[in-house]
Amino acid sequence: AQTVTQSQPEMSVQEAETVTLSCTYDTSESDYYLFWYKQPPSRQMILVIRQEAYKQQNATENRFSVNFQKAAKSFSLKISDSQLGDAAMYFCAYRNETGANSKLTFGKGITLSVRP
Amino acid sequence: ETGVTQSPTHLIKTRGQQVTLRCSSQSGHNTVSWYQQALGQGPQFIFQYYREEENGRGNFPPRFSGLQFPNYSSELNVNALELDDSALYLCASSPTQVAGTDTQYFGPGTRLTVL
Repeated sequence: AQTVTQSQPEMSVQEAETVTLSCTYDTSESDYYLFWYKQPPSRQMILVIRQEAYKQQNATENRFSVNFQKAAKSFSLKISDSQLGDAAMYFCAYRNETGANSKLTFGKGITLSVRP
Repeated sequence: ETGVTQSPTHLIKTRGQQVTLRCSSQSGHNTVSWYQQALGQGPQFIFQYYREEENGRGNFPPRFSGLQFPNYSSELNVNALELDDSALYLCASSPTQVAGTDTQYFGPGTRLTVL
């Protein structure tokens, strides 16, 4: 079974600074997808960024980028130029590429606070 | 294009009762997944429906059941409620069952409190 570990329960960053959120996972599969989701106090889970395991290039979406290390099974999220609106809970998630059951396996999440 | 919607927003039930939660998928999406998120935890997969058939189930007892309708809306039913069922229940829809570019889009959730 796949597992996702987020070992840092909380992090804090100064507005306009850069912060990195860590995530490790365990799987025996070679093809899979990794995601970072953001959950603000409004509760709605919002997709931040997605990485396909077969792609060597790290995904980037505006101020958000990932450091995907497949051999180390590590998938960290870097937020540049942090904004007050980035304050939220962030979840790392894993999904198999194939199979009928395309469930997401989530980590426990990291609470990110942004200091003005 | 409308997003995923869920109803009700909040619900309070007592132990032993039954509850039905509802989800309307995003337009064009034929797969729906349900997750339970306990306070301070990550979501846990309950089950998934594809074209009205259950298509995978997590580690939840049979008193958790679901339905998907021809318009791809969905229900989550929980019988014999227990205190530990108190959680945020999230519904997520995606366009197809297996396609590699699938992304699951989440609704705002239903907060269930069992007293």
